[in-house]
Amino acid sequence: NAGVTQTPKFRVLKTGQSMTLLCAQDMNHEYMYWYRQDPGMGLRLIHYSVGEGTTAKGEVPDGYNVSRLKKQNFLLGLESAAPSQTSVYFCASSYSVWTGSNYGYTFGSGTRLTVV
Amino acid sequence: DQQVKQNSPSLSVQEGRISILNCDYTNSMFDYFLWYKKYPAEGPTFLISISSIKDKNEDGRFTVFLNKSAKHLSLHIVPSQPGDSAVYFCAASEIGNEKLTFGTGTRLTIIP
Repeated sequence: NAGVTQTPKFRVLKTGQSMTLLCAQDMNHEYMYWYRQDPGMGLRLIHYSVGEGTTAKGEVPDGYNVSRLKKQNFLLGLESAAPSQTSVYFCASSYSVWTGSNYGYTFGSGTRLTVV
Repeated sequence: DQQVKQNSPSLSVQEGRISILNCDYTNSMFDYFLWYKKYPAEGPTFLISISSIKDKNEDGRFTVFLNKSAKHLSLHIVPSQPGDSAVYFCAASEIGNEKLTFGTGTRLTIIP
């Protein structure tokens, strides 16, 4: 099915370990985003990209890095995981929030990360 | 600073009745508003949106109302069905800005 695919779906890390979350979309969307969801905090933007080769910081970028080497992929890296990064991570993509009859973002199904 | 607020963490409604979910915002630059629905272990999915040039948008059982002067929007679901039980997020964006700012979510439970 077309859409946004996130891998892995679950992961447990030890404090200080590193990992990369992969997001892939097959809708030829220009824009891609990484959000984290925490209880009582809603969805908060970590980093985003407005096109291949571009990245920008969102609301909560500290401790994360991203890369968009190919249009269809957006990678989120944790260089040294901390317990505060325990969360559910969602990737999303869009043509533009402002186009036509607009569906906003298409989200992946999420990655549940636990840092112990 | 929470620019988009959903003050009710949870809401329970009898099947067949109207569900009203509320959302307030503080940023006067927000120009476009959306509602997303989220089931457990799934990503949010788009439900309905409204531009600031309108005060109402309807799609089947779902209607979104926007009161710009009060910086308030609401989602009405009529009639409510068991499949509507989910977490609902409102979101907003500024003119020409692709980033969405999300609220904290309201968990809606429809009681059969």
